[in-house]
Amino acid sequence: DQQVKQNSPSLSVQEGRISILNCDYTNSMFDYFLWYKKYPAEGPTFLISISSIKDKNEDGRFTVFLNKSAKHLSLHIVPSQPGDSAVYFCAASYEGGSEKLVFGKGTKLTVNP
Amino acid sequence: DVKVTQSSRYLVKRTGEKVFLECVQDMDHENMFWYRQDPGLGLRLIYFSYDVKMKEKGDIPEGYSVSREKKERFSLILESASTNQTSMYLCASKKQYEQYFGPGTRLTVT
Repeated sequence: DQQVKQNSPSLSVQEGRISILNCDYTNSMFDYFLWYKKYPAEGPTFLISISSIKDKNEDGRFTVFLNKSAKHLSLHIVPSQPGDSAVYFCAASYEGGSEKLVFGKGTKLTVNP
Repeated sequence: DVKVTQSSRYLVKRTGEKVFLECVQDMDHENMFWYRQDPGLGLRLIYFSYDVKMKEKGDIPEGYSVSREKKERFSLILESASTNQTSMYLCASKKQYEQYFGPGTRLTVT
């Protein structure tokens, strides 16, 4: 049972345009969501997060939107740069649960020059 | 900055060998994790530990064991390596909600 889903395995955008990566979840107890970025042959690095008490969090070119009623979150990258080409993982957690993060399967973003 | 290090970046082992993957974190975190990453399957949790000598199974513990004798060190053990354990292995330690990952070990079992 996949509690965190990233339905698009890959996404290709032009440099300078907006990249939108989507994530859906099924567990209504999740109250914290994170995005990680992973380059090949490296470990994932934390990118941005959002608590369920918010619907938006922004950090430079990266913005995460949370729609709790739809159990959906998205990561917007504006403007996209070739260095953003990586695999992006969505993850979720909840207080009172185990210490685990539940990860989606990832979306491979390619930003074309 | 949090630093998580893994003993090897690349490792080649033969089927049936016992394999040790070591992970060390320098931030006094209580929680540590071992994942494997395979194409199309994302990050899958093998084991995690929330304190010294404490461990819990993740989603895919079969064929693996772990050891946490000191707070900063979390070891993953493949008792008898098999070809289906060829993968990228990632260690992480956790502060509040965020997990901090090491660089990964690419293990090939031949």
